[in-house]
Amino acid sequence: EAGVTQFPSHSVIEKGQTVTLRCDPISGHDNLYWYRRVMGKEIKFLLHFVKESKQDESGMPNNRFLAERTGGTYSTLKVQPAELEDSGVYFCASSQLTGTRTGELFFGEGSRLTVL
Amino acid sequence: DAKTTQPPSMDCAEGRAANLPCNHSTISGNEYVYWYRQIHSQGPQYIIHGLKNNETNEMASLIITEDRKSSTLILPHATLRDTAVYYCIVRTFNAGNNRKLIWGLGTSLAVNP
Repeated sequence: EAGVTQFPSHSVIEKGQTVTLRCDPISGHDNLYWYRRVMGKEIKFLLHFVKESKQDESGMPNNRFLAERTGGTYSTLKVQPAELEDSGVYFCASSQLTGTRTGELFFGEGSRLTVL
Repeated sequence: DAKTTQPPSMDCAEGRAANLPCNHSTISGNEYVYWYRQIHSQGPQYIIHGLKNNETNEMASLIITEDRKSSTLILPHATLRDTAVYYCIVRTFNAGNNRKLIWGLGTSLAVNP
């Protein structure tokens, strides 16, 4: 079974440009999360989808970030315009809706964003 | 803010048990203790979780004190591939769908040959 996949693995852009990160969750997982780690800091929650609906977007830093999950399958996270402080590793995770005892989140390998 | 405290780093000899402590003195009655790890350049990986009883799976054991204010993750026979940052996280496991995790800085475990 394929795990959570993220694309691109690394993106280097200039300040002011736009970047779109993509996450494909594990098939059948209705919960999808975005997290971010800025260098030297803790991993921070960004938002949570249940199917195509945003359940919690309290961690989104500002309106330059836009997350979508059309059709409840893959998700995109767009940063427009990118700023230097947006640099970091963006992780996507997915989990089943209900019925699992573990509450386990399955993470992708992350998309590293470097803003110059 | 994270509700857990962990030592920033630890060393362990290959083949020996690695015991990683975690303090969570403000844990609530309905909060579980979760452990994840992140091997360099990979995404975080679930290890184990527990409420109040000790737990064991194929990866590790989790020992939770009776007052639930601290716990220890035990890797019984550490290998070089266990070198990673280990995160102890407390969260509510409820019937809802929110599984937001609040991360600290974790413990960087170095397994030495």
